[in-house]
Amino acid sequence: ETGVTQSPTHLIKTRGQQVTLRCSSQSGHNTVSWYQQALGQGPQFIFQYYREEENGRGNFPPRFSGLQFPNYSSELNVNALELDDSALYLCASSLDLARMETQYFGPGTRLLVL
Amino acid sequence: DQQVKQNSPSLSVQEGRISILNCDYTNSMFDYFLWYKKYPAEGPTFLISISSIKDKNEDGRFTVFLNKSAKHLSLHIVPSQPGDSAVYFCAASANYNQGGKLIFGQGTELSVKP
Repeated sequence: ETGVTQSPTHLIKTRGQQVTLRCSSQSGHNTVSWYQQALGQGPQFIFQYYREEENGRGNFPPRFSGLQFPNYSSELNVNALELDDSALYLCASSLDLARMETQYFGPGTRLLVL
Repeated sequence: DQQVKQNSPSLSVQEGRISILNCDYTNSMFDYFLWYKKYPAEGPTFLISISSIKDKNEDGRFTVFLNKSAKHLSLHIVPSQPGDSAVYFCAASANYNQGGKLIFGQGTELSVKP
């Protein structure tokens, strides 16, 4: 049973603003990955955190940044929002880097940039 | 560049018949492949996976076939049930069990008619 939660569920921002999205991993999971899913597309990997350190990054500009906290909850921050940032943002947690088949996704945060 | 492609955006099948969802990939470094199912307003849910050292994996009504020479995989669902109606994503990874990022296809929306 997945215990990954994300907040908020929906968000509307205007171009140029900054946004912070939050993810609470399933208990005991030390690895979290963030994905962006644009309408009609599959999720695209943004970055991954393992034990509070970034462990890989996809093709996203530096204005996409993240944090993982000691309790393994996580944040995704996006600065200088652009219209194309409108998407569903998904986080996924797993027990460990070596247990990625147990990766569980949260329901996502839907961001609309106007 | 789209390294993982699902060329059929939608598929409609009668209840009780077989559903076959297809996926092609281009990166020969991928060593692990997964299928996810996604319902509206929920995150993707892991369905079944296959390692590149195998050519078939079964789990109940779900079977995944991998053809490495053709860089093609398929998901067979038999018999299909109305509850299987969802968007299906295939995903691939290199070094997955060392935290390798997932590369997703665009998804295929399956509709199973009663």
